[in-house]
Amino acid sequence: QIALKESGPTLVKPRQTLTLTCTLSGFSLTTTGAGVGWIRQAPGKALECLALIYWDGDLRSSPSLSNRLTVTKDTSKNQVVLTMTEMDPVDTATYYCANIRGGAAFDVWGQGTMVTVSS
Amino acid sequence: DIQMTQSPSSVSASVGDRVTITCRASQGVRNWFAWYQQKPGKAPRLLIYGASTLESGVPSRFSGSGSGTDFTLTISSLQPEDFATYYCQQAYSFPLTFGQGTRLDIK
Repeated sequence: QIALKESGPTLVKPRQTLTLTCTLSGFSLTTTGAGVGWIRQAPGKALECLALIYWDGDLRSSPSLSNRLTVTKDTSKNQVVLTMTEMDPVDTATYYCANIRGGAAFDVWGQGTMVTVSS
Repeated sequence: DIQMTQSPSSVSASVGDRVTITCRASQGVRNWFAWYQQKPGKAPRLLIYGASTLESGVPSRFSGSGSGTDFTLTISSLQPEDFATYYCQQAYSFPLTFGQGTRLDIK
């Protein structure tokens, strides 16, 4: 049974760095073809894909955020870590990690973690 | 970025109704296309991938069609649990992009 779970702070101050961890279970990012995505959703808004990271280390980041966003994988812990610098109130959102199947669709999602950016 | 435009933005319907939601991509995405359902406070749920393939466990009243730029999600007979927000998504090119959502309400 594949599962993902996000963890991290619920509140960050403007200009601080956000670090979120996605812990995988039931699968590994060492498996050929495996991939994990980070998606966020501001309150009442649509979904936005931030980044994808694959088993081979291939990383795709949203061009609009690429200068602020880093995604790494720790295969020993079976985790994917998202780091976003210079947080702003507009970054307030629920952040999800999800398994991407065949590079095409997110078939298993974490429960999401709400992050508020406020002083 | 490929823009995904859904219509309508919201729709009201009754249990038993047939509902169709459309999504248009700003450029061709072949069949690299998916539909999701999201209920308040919950993560999205994958319904359809490859434009028309039903995800395992999803009721057969859901169906998807289309290719290229124009896609459709049809719910053949609405059930109470289907009232939610629906999103389309393209996976043809990065950044993967979603539509703005279609809210399906009870009439």
